[in-house]
Amino acid sequence: GAVVSQHPSWVICKSGTSVKIECRSLDFQATTMFWYRQFPKQSLMLMATSNEGSKATYEQGVEKDKFLINHASLTLSTLTVTSAHPEDSSFYICSARRAAITETQYFGPGTRLLVL
Amino acid sequence: AQSVAQPEDQVNVAEGNPLTVKCTYSVSGNPYLFWYVQYPNRGLQFLLKYITGDNLVKGSYGFEAEFNKSQTSFHLKKPSALVSDSALYFCAVRDDTGGFKTIFGAGTRLFVKA
Repeated sequence: GAVVSQHPSWVICKSGTSVKIECRSLDFQATTMFWYRQFPKQSLMLMATSNEGSKATYEQGVEKDKFLINHASLTLSTLTVTSAHPEDSSFYICSARRAAITETQYFGPGTRLLVL
Repeated sequence: AQSVAQPEDQVNVAEGNPLTVKCTYSVSGNPYLFWYVQYPNRGLQFLLKYITGDNLVKGSYGFEAEFNKSQTSFHLKKPSALVSDSALYFCAVRDDTGGFKTIFGAGTRLFVKA
């Protein structure tokens, strides 16, 4: 149990376009989902925390208008990178917290974004 | 403020030997501590956690970690390393003050030689 999926697993896009990444909890309800960004050979940096039905909480330095997060249901959160630029190229990872169990996060497999 | 330190960028160990990956932390309240493993181009897999109770925590794949409050450490250990244990290991911490923001260490790459 506690499986989190992400789609797509990788995406290449042109500069200026928008890209949507989906994060789904497949076998549990996730009251909270987290979006991380990971640069090569570096740790995970929390971008934002999203709670179902409410606005996401962004970390300092993360542009809200650039990285749009929607958590429309207890099993789905989306991250949209708007007007992507090459510097947005990165590995994006989501995680989910089960509603009844608070301590552990379950991570998706990640989405690699390359902006040309 | 919460912080996590993994002092070693890389750990090398021979297969069959014991391994230790170090982690120290700093939190305001009581710590919730986690270890995750990441394989290339993959998300993180949960290994084990310490919330309360016994200081020695046993997790997946034969890994264990010891919580040491006085030294604010939570080192990951395994008695006998396997080549397949080679991966990137992250220590993470959050406190019990009500928020759920988890801070990750920089990661330690483990190489197990056959």
